[in-house]
Formats: sequence, structure tokens, C-alpha cells
Amino acid sequence: AQKVTQAQTEISVVEKEDVTLDCVYETRDTTYYLFWYKQPPSGELVFLIRRNSFDEQNEISGRYSWNFQKSTSSFNFTITASQVVDSAVYFCALSEAEGGSYIPTFGRGTSLIVHP
Amino acid sequence: DAGITQSPRHKVTETGTPVTLRCHQTENHRYMYWYRQDPGHGLRLIHYSYGVKDTDKGEVSDGYSVSRSKTEDFLLTLESATSSQTSVYFCAITGTSYNEQFFGPGTRLTVL
Repeated sequence: AQKVTQAQTEISVVEKEDVTLDCVYETRDTTYYLFWYKQPPSGELVFLIRRNSFDEQNEISGRYSWNFQKSTSSFNFTITASQVVDSAVYFCALSEAEGGSYIPTFGRGTSLIVHP
Repeated sequence: DAGITQSPRHKVTETGTPVTLRCHQTENHRYMYWYRQDPGHGLRLIHYSYGVKDTDKGEVSDGYSVSRSKTEDFLLTLESATSSQTSVYFCAITGTSYNEQFFGPGTRLTVL
């Protein structure tokens, strides 16, 4: 069975600090996808990134970066120079890549609070 | 933006009444999903559909039924609403790569 653990329930930082959100996963599949979603206070769920299990290259998008390490089954998300607008709940998710119903398993989310 | 809408966006109802939530997509995607989101539980899958008239249960399907008579519409019905079904309900579709999901704006349901 697939499992996603986001051990950090809530993180509080001051603006401009760097912050890393941890995501650890379990799967028996050799081919899978990992995702991050953002849920701001307004409530919508926004897709941020998808990473294929065969692609361990880290990705950077502006102030956001993602570190995928198969050896430790982790897919961590770092926000550099955090801003108040980054305040949100962030969800990590995992889904198998072959066959099936494409149902992802979500972590319980990490609430990030960025103080001015 | 993925073309997903949900209606109604907010609803207050009384225990024992039937409620139907609608999800509409303009993307012609095969897979559609209903989730509920509650504090401390994250997103939990209620039902999903893999085509017209093809549906299956998720982890919290008791008390819910679904129907999909057209590709673009996926209906969630609470046959007899209970206070424990007070929640925010999200509909989702899978993206073109059949993996990442795109979510509707959500429906906040309160059962009194």
C-alpha cells in the first residue's frame, strides 16, 4: 500500500526565512509520480509540481525548489526567502504510474505560516 | 485553469434530507473524483469514476452515492445527510498525463 507522511503539521517562520517542507513516501511500485499541492487560505487546491520516479533531478522554479531522493524515499519542498503569500497548507501526494485508477495518496498536509 | 466547476459552492441543509453536489468539467477527461476534506484528516476519497456509468468506491464511501451519465458531469449524492457529513467537498479530474489531479473550487456543506 502507498503511504505519504508529512510529519510537520505546522511550521511558523518569519518573512525572508528559508523553509523546507518534508515529505516521505512508501510504495512497492518502481514507477510512480510525486506531487505537491498548495491550499491557500482561500481554500482552492493548486497543483505545483509533478515528479516522475525515474527523474531524480532537482527542480527549481523561482523561490521554490524540490529535492527528490529515491534513496531516502523523500520529496522535500523548499521555499527560499519566504513571503506572507506563501502561507498555506501544502500537500504532498503519490500515485502509481501504470494502470489502475490514477488515485493519489495524499499526506495530511503541512500548514505554513509566514509572519511579516 | 482546468475547467472544473462545482455547484453549489455553499449549502446548509438539515439532517435527513438528500443532497446532490454537481461537478462539471470541460476538459473531456475520463477520470473524475470526489473527496472530502476535514481538519486533521486531509483529503479522503469518497468515490471516483473511470468513465460514463463506471464508478467505484473510495475509502469513505458509506452514506454517499455517485452517478456519471455524461463525461462532463459527476454527481455526488448524500442520500440522507448527517451532521458527520459536514465538510468541504472537492471534485477532481486527472490531467492529460493521467496522474496529476486538478481540483474544483470546492463545496462547503453544513448539515444541521
